[in-house]
Amino acid sequence: DQQVKQNSPSLSVQEGRISILNCDYTNSMFDYFLWYKKYPAEGPTFLISISSIKDKNEDGRFTVFLNKSAKHLSLHIVPSQPGDSAVYFCAASGLSNFGNEKLTFGTGTRLTIIP
Amino acid sequence: DGGITQSPKYLFRKEGQNVTLSCEQNLNHDAMYWYRQDPGQGLRLIYYSQIVNDFQKGDIAEGYSVSREKKESFPLTVTSAQKNPTAFYLCASSIRQGGTGELFFGEGSRLTVL
Repeated sequence: DQQVKQNSPSLSVQEGRISILNCDYTNSMFDYFLWYKKYPAEGPTFLISISSIKDKNEDGRFTVFLNKSAKHLSLHIVPSQPGDSAVYFCAASGLSNFGNEKLTFGTGTRLTIIP
Repeated sequence: DGGITQSPKYLFRKEGQNVTLSCEQNLNHDAMYWYRQDPGQGLRLIYYSQIVNDFQKGDIAEGYSVSREKKESFPLTVTSAQKNPTAFYLCASSIRQGGTGELFFGEGSRLTVL
């Protein structure tokens, strides 16, 4: 049972435009969400996170939006740059139930920025 | 520099052989994890350890074993009982207390069974 879903396996965006990556979750106990970026043959690196008490968190070109009622979050990258081409993983944890140790990951979305 | 070191980066194994993947961290993190990545399946948790001499099974622990004798080290053994061991293996660590779930990952080890 996939509790964190990224329904788009791939996405292509023109350089300079906005990239929007989506993530849905089913477990209502999740209350902390993270995005990771991964280049081929490397480990994922943390990008941005959001707590369930917020609906938006911004860090430079990256903004994450959380819609708790819809159990949906999205990552916006604007403007998109060639170096943003990577696989992006959405992850979730339930601090109240599992502590901060276990993350459940989505299947990833491969973002390609077209120059 | 602080970080997580996984070795070897690439490993080939014959069927029926056990193999051990190394993971060392100098971040002074209490918690360590092993994930497996397969195409189209994201990252799946194999084992995790919150403290020295203690570890728990993750979602896909069958055919794997771990030990946590030192805070810095969390080796993963892929045994011959693992039916489909070819994958990309990722080790990670995190602050156990007061953390926010952020994991720091190593660069991964790619295991290929011949």
